[in-house]
Amino acid sequence: ETAVFQTPNYHVTQVGNEVSFNCKQTLGHDTMYWYKQDSKKLLKIMFSYNNKQLIVNETVPRRFSPQSSDKAHLNLRIKSVEPEDSAVYLCASSPWGGDQDTQYFGPGTRLLVL
Amino acid sequence: QQQVRQSPQSLTVWEGETAILNCSYEDSTFNYFPWYQQFPGEGPALLISIRSVSDKKEDGRFTIFFNKREKKLSLHITDSQPGDSATYFCAASGGSSGNKLIFGIGTLLSVKP
Repeated sequence: ETAVFQTPNYHVTQVGNEVSFNCKQTLGHDTMYWYKQDSKKLLKIMFSYNNKQLIVNETVPRRFSPQSSDKAHLNLRIKSVEPEDSAVYLCASSPWGGDQDTQYFGPGTRLLVL
Repeated sequence: QQQVRQSPQSLTVWEGETAILNCSYEDSTFNYFPWYQQFPGEGPALLISIRSVSDKKEDGRFTIFFNKREKKLSLHITDSQPGDSATYFCAASGGSSGNKLIFGIGTLLSVKP
């Protein structure tokens, strides 16, 4: 099956802990993205990578750091989570990263910070 | 300032009716406008898209009408079905945003049988 896979589906943690989310795409795409979807469903891009190279780094707190081992994997680490980090984190990929590329999304990881 | 705006925030129609979802944008350099459909617990999926050189794009029951001069577009869903109940996001990219998709807040559509 070719798709975008994310783990875990759901994660509950305490303020100050570190969390990591994994994303893998089997579509053979060159570009991957992380988005944050807040409680009002607003989707905002956080990072994008093209062939393991960071190409977009929006203004996000420094406790967020993406990690890419190869073009099929893009993980997201959050050091010392805060309550406002509670959201759904969506991973996506696209063939080339062009401005008219279709982006394919994973099912998301829902993070709840207590 | 939100660059892509959507209205209404929620919309309820009866099965068989036409649902009209509106979108407007600020940046006149945007040149690609995809609409994404999201069901609860899933990620968004591309439904239909239009480039700024066109004024209409049709795919089955889904049609985008695009007005470049007014920087507005709309998604028409004809013969709405209960299975169309989802959140619909208008997005924009190109020009000054490059490959970054700028999303609207979404319209939650409910189709009653």
